[in-house]
Amino acid sequence: DTEVTQTPKHLVMGMTNKKSLKCEQHMGHRAMYWYKQKAKKPPELMFVYSYEKLSINESVPSRFSPECPNSSLLNLHLHALQPEDSALYLCASSQEVRPPGGYTFGSGTRLTVV
Amino acid sequence: DAKTTQPNSMESNEEEPVHLPCNHSTISGTDYIHWYRQLPSQGPEYVIHGLTSNVNNRMASLAIAEDRKSSTLILHRATLRDAAVYYCILRDVGAQKLVFGQGTRLTINP
Repeated sequence: DTEVTQTPKHLVMGMTNKKSLKCEQHMGHRAMYWYKQKAKKPPELMFVYSYEKLSINESVPSRFSPECPNSSLLNLHLHALQPEDSALYLCASSQEVRPPGGYTFGSGTRLTVV
Repeated sequence: DAKTTQPNSMESNEEEPVHLPCNHSTISGTDYIHWYRQLPSQGPEYVIHGLTSNVNNRMASLAIAEDRKSSTLILHRATLRDAAVYYCILRDVGAQKLVFGQGTRLTINP
């Protein structure tokens, strides 16, 4: 298995809702990442996890709460989002946090906040 | 993070080679040059990376200038499926993160 799987593919949520994005990989990678991508812009790093511990938080607002329950799974919990948080949320993984090779990305969750 | 400069967009024709340039005049000795591409409605995809020597893989070739201040990603025979945004990224060997720049939007004409 050489994929990163993200669910759901699309999500519409209200500003008072609580929802979660899920990311899974079975490549034995020990580093996982969340990125946010607005339309026509490059992906922006949000969080880095290394060996299930949060390693980097790029000053992301607390309404985004990451969680890494085990080495294969990464969640992003969403609460009280704003319409400007609508974006494509990408998950990625790599062998280590400083990998010799590249990252593997999922296809993303397209989030719309109404 | 060291900065890269890429053209905003490029066009090429199907079945012809494509040379995508990247300038990185402030590159340091421990920066690897990475290339990713992002097809429409998909996440980025790793293409290739290198440090000093030219590199080849099944997807592309990476040509690195002798002074390392520029590099070129070469697609040897473009197909319509190669239409994507191509990102050239410098990543320090000790860095914990991958930071994307603006990239080059490549259009392939049939």
